[in-house]
Amino acid sequence: GAGVSQSPRYKVAKRGQDVALRCDPISGHVSLFWYQQALGQGPEFLTYFQNEAQLDKSGLPSDRFFAERPEGSVSTLKIQRTQQEDSAVYLCASSLGLRATNEKLFFGSGTQLSVL
Amino acid sequence: GESVGLHLPTLSVQEGDNSIINCAYSNSASDYFIWYKQESGKGPQFIIDIRSNMDKRQGQRVTVLLNKTVKHLSLQIAATQPGDSAVYFCAENYRLVFGTGTRLLVSP
Repeated sequence: GAGVSQSPRYKVAKRGQDVALRCDPISGHVSLFWYQQALGQGPEFLTYFQNEAQLDKSGLPSDRFFAERPEGSVSTLKIQRTQQEDSAVYLCASSLGLRATNEKLFFGSGTQLSVL
Repeated sequence: GESVGLHLPTLSVQEGDNSIINCAYSNSASDYFIWYKQESGKGPQFIIDIRSNMDKRQGQRVTVLLNKTVKHLSLQIAATQPGDSAVYFCAENYRLVFGTGTRLLVSP
């Protein structure tokens, strides 16, 4: 595909369940980002990968959140023991080069997570 | 009525008008800025960017102005069309921060 692909598109979880959200970046893009977007808010940075290396995870809100990109392409964001405040849209973005903070990002359509 | 959490600033314009959306950024260390457009149910989409060594950049129907003295960005959209209706975010590269957003509503 030509763009960033995220799955599932929607996820409903019971409080306490673990969830895994997948991101397929644009082929060849070195940098990958995860953002959390609450209703009516701007995206909030969670974490950033350059190839398989997680260079910045300062935005992850708690140790229940974990992200990986083991082969430098597909990434998974895992949330353990989900809580209601985790309900949000989780956006993945990729960019072409190594200087990711000086490039435009290409976003997927997001995964909307609802925790009941 | 308005839903909780949907307190975005809103700009309502008529089709054909020019629109100006403003943004105050937070970090003096930021040297690269981007405007994104987000339609309902979609991820943000790149519109235009500007680096800190410039104060103005023009694209197709859009212009971005940067005032580093007061840490202010603006996005100007010429001849606004109904398809421009969306939420617009500015983003700065230091800490990869997005602004809150402005909802643009364009009436035919």
